[in-house]
Amino acid sequence: EAGVVQSPRYKIIEKKQPVAFWCNPISGHNTLYWYRQNLGQGPELLIRYENEEAVDDSQLPKDRFSAERLKGVDSTLKIQPAELGDSAVYLCASSFPRTSGHYEQYFGPGTRLTVT
Amino acid sequence: GEDVEQSLFLSVREGDSSVINCTYTDSSSTYLYWYKQEPGAGLQLLTYIFSNMDMKQDQRLTVLLNKKDKHLSLRIADTQTGDSAIYFCAERNSGGYQKVTFGTGTKLQVIP
Repeated sequence: EAGVVQSPRYKIIEKKQPVAFWCNPISGHNTLYWYRQNLGQGPELLIRYENEEAVDDSQLPKDRFSAERLKGVDSTLKIQPAELGDSAVYLCASSFPRTSGHYEQYFGPGTRLTVT
Repeated sequence: GEDVEQSLFLSVREGDSSVINCTYTDSSSTYLYWYKQEPGAGLQLLTYIFSNMDMKQDQRLTVLLNKKDKHLSLRIADTQTGDSAIYFCAERNSGGYQKVTFGTGTKLQVIP
């Protein structure tokens, strides 16, 4: 079974440019998460979806970050415009819904963003 | 808010046991997790423990939970070079969003 797929794996952009990351979760996983992992830190949640609904976006910097999951499957995270401090690894994870009793999150390999 | 702390670095010799420690502040934690991250990869779930348990063993891995002290540990028996990675402790709270908070990670170096 395929795991969580993310693309691109690496992205280098100049500051003030836009950038987008794509994630395809594991089949059957209704819950999708976007995390940001700064160097030497653990992942920090940006947004969580239950199907197509964003149920927790309290940590998403909404002035420049946006996300969508229109059909409740794959998702896109966008930054516009990017700033130097956005350089990080952006991780996508998925899990079964809370009602299933299975909470384990499965992570993709991440997209390493470098803003110059 | 929730806080999860880990020591930054641990070095052990191949064949020895490794013990990675974690402390957390959220008294309403329901599940506690250990993840492994190898260079350039995402996080891989190793094991988890429910908050009403105090120990869980899974092959070479032993998880100990002291809920009173909010202390979690991961013991890896017979540590191998392939165990070299960063290990993250995480806790899930019992709030409506059941948010998972990760620690800063412990880098395990296994010396041959």
